[in-house]
Amino acid sequence: AQKITQTQPGMFVQEKEAVTLDCTYDTSDPSYGLFWYKQPSSGEMIFLIYQGSYDQQNATEGRYSLNFQKARKSANLVISASQLGDSAMYFCAMREGDPNDYKLSFGAGTTVTVRA
Amino acid sequence: GAGVSQSPRYKVAKRGQDVALRCDPISGHVSLFWYQQALGQGPEFLTYFQNEAQLDKSGLPSDRFFAERPEGSVSTLKIQRTQQEDSAVYLCASSPRTSGSYNEQFFGPGTRLTVL
Repeated sequence: AQKITQTQPGMFVQEKEAVTLDCTYDTSDPSYGLFWYKQPSSGEMIFLIYQGSYDQQNATEGRYSLNFQKARKSANLVISASQLGDSAMYFCAMREGDPNDYKLSFGAGTTVTVRA
Repeated sequence: GAGVSQSPRYKVAKRGQDVALRCDPISGHVSLFWYQQALGQGPEFLTYFQNEAQLDKSGLPSDRFFAERPEGSVSTLKIQRTQQEDSAVYLCASSPRTSGSYNEQFFGPGTRLTVL
């Protein structure tokens, strides 16, 4: 079964507007971490934001915020005030807390195109 | 530059050739990961090193894939007798930590392998 599901293959957003990227996850581990990465056309994965399963507040990092709904197992990324440079592929990923499980499990990604 | 570097950035191989992909992690990072990213997909875990020890190789798709990190720093991913299905971007990531759900991974730019 897929651990991370991103249902939006592509999205268009107008410059200066906000966009929400959906991510749902599946785990039975009570301890886990959720990550969002940005991958521009250059290929490098850029870390954006992190949310721990025990964190009480939603994570925020500049223009990025994470809408964490634990009961629904969703961790949506909100990008506010979109800029042309935000055009990229965005990946949601999870690391489960099992000490023997180190890897990140990624979703299929969402392509965001910001229009001027 | 103190980031993760990978070489070569691009590699074209004829089917049946052996290839070696190099990763230089961030200095002092204990953990090193290899991921395979097919076109239009999210990265898939291949293998994990903690220092020189390969603790998880469950994601390696076949015995043609081999990875090493003999001195706990630079790592090499080797693919023997390449097949067309091996065509992908191979991403390397490193992390300063070994455990805990918060374990940000810093990614390199990747090596794009094309097998003809």
